[in-house]
Amino acid sequence: DTAVSQTPKYLVTQMGNDKSIKCEQNLGHDTMYWYKQDSKKFLKIMFSYNNKELIINETVPNRFSPKSPDKAHLNLHINSLELGDSAVYFCASSHGPNYGYTFGSGTRLTVV
Amino acid sequence: TQLLEQSPQFLSIQEGENLTVYCNSSSVFSSLQWYRQEPGEGPVLLVTVVTGGEVKKLKRLTFQFGDARKDSSLHITAAQPGDTGLYLCAGVVGARTYKYIFGTGTRLKVLA
Repeated sequence: DTAVSQTPKYLVTQMGNDKSIKCEQNLGHDTMYWYKQDSKKFLKIMFSYNNKELIINETVPNRFSPKSPDKAHLNLHINSLELGDSAVYFCASSHGPNYGYTFGSGTRLTVV
Repeated sequence: TQLLEQSPQFLSIQEGENLTVYCNSSSVFSSLQWYRQEPGEGPVLLVTVVTGGEVKKLKRLTFQFGDARKDSSLHITAAQPGDTGLYLCAGVVGARTYKYIFGTGTRLKVLA
């Protein structure tokens, strides 16, 4: 069974479109995250939710809006997509600060 | 802004050689993790170190946390092609509201 699953795996879309990425975890973790990995493989945190509550919101454009309907799900909606949004987006969950993350397999977003 | 610098950025070695990857920061972390990421997948947790000076071994991999909890190293003995991948360190900041700051990454290629 997949612990953290993201859909879709690949997303190719035109500039200006709106798209969503879904994430689900079956580990019972309270905290979930969205990270962006750029072309140089640098992972940068975007958002963190704990039990459906937003607790970390890094400097991310307002076009990005996370939504957590329950503690097992954290979705990412992106409005008015731009070329610079092209990257791999990873969802992750964690049991606590010393337990590390469990990552999903990523969503490669390409904006053309 | 916390920053974790990894060195080297790239490493290409022959099977059977030893290597060390370094992860350095001016910030103190409550714990630090090492991950390995393969193409098309999310990072996978290898180890967590918590105590300054702590050493952990995972088969041919040896991880050390610096005494001041600002740096860490990963040593691989007798590298194998299966060790090929992107190695990432991540330091934990915060307590109740915690997040992981990822290092700049080391791409390792082990040639058969």
